[in-house]
Parts: sequence; C-alpha cells; structure tokens
Amino acid sequence: TQLLEQSPQFLSIQEGENLTVYCNSSSVFSSLQWYRQEPGEGPVLLVTVVTGGEVKKLKRLTFQFGDARKDSSLHITAAQPGDTGLYLCAGGLETGANNLFFGTGTRLTVIP
Amino acid sequence: DAEITQSPRHKITETGRQVTLACHQTWNHNNMFWYRQDLGHGLRLIHYSYGVHDTNKGEVSDGYSVSRSNTEDLPLTLESAASSQTSVYFCASSESLGPINEQYFGPGTRLTVT
Repeated sequence: TQLLEQSPQFLSIQEGENLTVYCNSSSVFSSLQWYRQEPGEGPVLLVTVVTGGEVKKLKRLTFQFGDARKDSSLHITAAQPGDTGLYLCAGGLETGANNLFFGTGTRLTVIP
Repeated sequence: DAEITQSPRHKITETGRQVTLACHQTWNHNNMFWYRQDLGHGLRLIHYSYGVHDTNKGEVSDGYSVSRSNTEDLPLTLESAASSQTSVYFCASSESLGPINEQYFGPGTRLTVT
C-alpha cells in the first residue's frame, strides 16, 4: 500500500485551463515536497511546505499543505505546454526516519 | 556548477550477472539515496547513506547492496540480476535531513534484465 496517494493519475487538459492535483495520506508528515519530472530526467524539486495550512506560490503554481499535515494540493492556473510532466509529492514522516516517501505521481499533459 | 551524475544511462544485462550502477555527486552532500521507479509504484527507496562508511536498507533492498568509501560516490550493486529488477534507477543527494530534506536527483539509469 502507498503511504501517499495522488489523484488523478493522468490529466490531459487544454492550454489555458486551470487544474488541481491532490496528494493524500492517513499519516502525518513533518514536511511535504512537490517535484516535477520530465521524460528521461530525474525529478526536480519545486517546493517544500512544512507548516499546516501553509500556502506557497511559484508563478502560476500554488501549493497548499493541509491543516492536519496529512495532505497537499497543487493548483496550476492557466496551464501552459511547458507544464507537461509527471508531478510527484513526497513527504517526510513526523515520527522517526529522515527519509522521503513518494507518491505514485500525476502525469499531466497540456495540449496547445 | 555542482551536479549529480549517473552511469551508464542505459544497461542491458542477463539474468544472474552482477551489475554495478555508478552515482557521483559534486554537491559535497553527506546524504545519498538510491531509488527505483516503476509504473504504479512511484519512487521506492533501495538503500541510503548518511556519510562515509554508513549504509542503510530502504523499503526494497533485497538483491541490492551499496558501499560508501568517499563523500562523492555511492555505487549500487545488483548481486545477481533478476528480471524483476528491470527498472529505472535514480540516485539522489541532500544536504540536510529532517523536515527540509530537499533531494537533488541524477538523470537515471534504465536497466533491462533479460
């Protein structure tokens, strides 16, 4: 079973549309990170959120950490073809290990 | 610029052979990690190291080993390759642990075991 569940798994939208992807768990995390991965490359860190309820913005991307620190969302406004990629959330558990647990990812395609 | 590199980028090997995947980072990070990425499973941790001569097992460590003789390198060895180990392998490094464990990833090695 996955510690972090992402939805949707696949998303195909037209350029200019808005979208939200979700990352959910029953566990509490000390931090939540979002990465983007393009074909043939490794994941690249977009943002880290550490406080329950925290909202961070990165240009057209808005990231939110749930109040209970069990979930997160990524909202993209006016999607561009350059936003196409695999979006991964990853969390560090509040208890114990320093390692990250990754979700299965949301594969986004933005059609011009 | 600091970077993390992996070699080879693609490898085809036969069942039962020993295979070593290289990972080299110039960030001078103490922490290094090996993951495998498979459809439907995301990234799963194989082994990790918090410093020279330190190694630890991750979620899917069976059939794999690592050694850390210096800060820059963490090679991953498949002792006797199996078809179930066909995957894309990523190495990562990070400066700190705890809540802000921001990892930098290499470009990956695609391994096929026939």
